Amino acid sequence: AQSVAQPEDQVNVAEGNPLTVKCTYSVSGNPYLFWYVQYPNRGLQFLLKYITGDNLVKGSYGFEAEFNKSQTSFHLKKPSALVSDSALYFCAVRGFRNSGNTPLVFGKGTRLSVIA
Amino acid sequence: DAGVIQSPRHEVTEMGQEVTLRCKPISGHDYLFWYRQTMMRGLELLIYFNNNVPIDDSGMPEDRFSAKMPNASFSTLKIQPSEPRDSAVYFCASSPGLAYHQGNEQFFGPGTRLTVL
Repeated sequence: AQSVAQPEDQVNVAEGNPLTVKCTYSVSGNPYLFWYVQYPNRGLQFLLKYITGDNLVKGSYGFEAEFNKSQTSFHLKKPSALVSDSALYFCAVRGFRNSGNTPLVFGKGTRLSVIA
Repeated sequence: DAGVIQSPRHEVTEMGQEVTLRCKPISGHDYLFWYRQTMMRGLELLIYFNNNVPIDDSGMPEDRFSAKMPNASFSTLKIQPSEPRDSAVYFCASSPGLAYHQGNEQFFGPGTRLTVL
């Protein structure tokens, strides 16, 4: 069975500082990894994904994530945080299955608070 | 494209009443998902459809919950009778379906905030 762990419920960072939101996963076979962001009273928005290739993936709003197979991690990063980055962030994983598309498994979310 | 459309955005009802939530997926998407989000349980997958056919409904909490997809552009999630513990935000999401391509992301609607008094 596939699963995702986001070990931190809350991450606080000062504006202008780098931020990291952690994610580890468990899946059979090659993973497909995703990050989503949810702003207050909104649906989840896709940020970036790792399918194959370069371990460093760049996404929307200056975010990037690094796939680390040996550590089964896919941490979300940004070099310089903005107050507007404050939101709830979800990591998700999908394991490979020949039968076609399968649902994503989401982590519990990490609330990021960027302080001015 | 307008994205995934959900209605209503907010619903307040009394315990025992029937509630129907609606979703219009993105045109051309073959997969449709219903999720429930609460503070306690996070984001839970309730059911998903492929080409209008329910594939996995193991996340549906009880028989009070039912979902249908009569055509490619419309789905409903019904709760009958509703209970206070059903209060949550319900999201619909859709995804394109390319065989063997697991890299498709899901696109989420804005959600319906349900309050059962």
